[in-house]
Amino acid sequence: KAGVTQTPRYLIKTRGQQVTLSCSPISGHRSVSWYQQTPGQGLQFLFEYFSETQRNKGNFPGRFSGRQFSNSRSEMNVSTLELGDSALYLCASSFGTSGASYEQYFGPGTRLTVT
Amino acid sequence: GENVEQHPSTLSVQEGDSAVIKCTYSDSASNYFPWYKQELGKGPQLIIDIRSNVGEKKDQRIAVTLNKTAKHFSLHITETQPEDSAVYFCAASRMASGGSYIPTFGRGTSLIVHP
Repeated sequence: KAGVTQTPRYLIKTRGQQVTLSCSPISGHRSVSWYQQTPGQGLQFLFEYFSETQRNKGNFPGRFSGRQFSNSRSEMNVSTLELGDSALYLCASSFGTSGASYEQYFGPGTRLTVT
Repeated sequence: GENVEQHPSTLSVQEGDSAVIKCTYSDSASNYFPWYKQELGKGPQLIIDIRSNVGEKKDQRIAVTLNKTAKHFSLHITETQPEDSAVYFCAASRMASGGSYIPTFGRGTSLIVHP
């Protein structure tokens, strides 16, 4: 079974620009969660999408948004980039339904550098 | 919200020794505790998990223990090998909206196994 894939793997952007990252979950998984990983703050939850709806949300500003498509693929968008947005952005997929397996499986991440 | 403390931040052992990583959590409603291993340039990989109705779980050289009363859980790796060198993250989670589990992560332990 193919794992979680994320594109692109590396990205360099300038302050003020916007960026879109993509995630394809494991086949059969309907939940996609996004995390930001930085040396200073560690791994922080951004949001979770299930059946094309945002189901849970972390404490990030509105510049961070996402969406999920009918095939469960997800994108996240960051507008008006700031230097502090430089991070590894990780996507994780799971079944996401009550009574199903809890496990989340992570992709390799997208390394975003803002200059 | 949930707060997870993880110790030590760095652990250096000789090949063949055992390694123990400890975590404490604050939310008594947390009931699912996964552990992840992250190698350089990769996303976190789920290595073992434990639910609150179980006190201990073992998978080959890896074991996890949970003390719900004290709100702490630990990862034990026996007969360490150089390929065990990585950053290990503990996490605590409770059921969130819609039946998903959103983990709160510890800050990570860098395990170095010397040949």
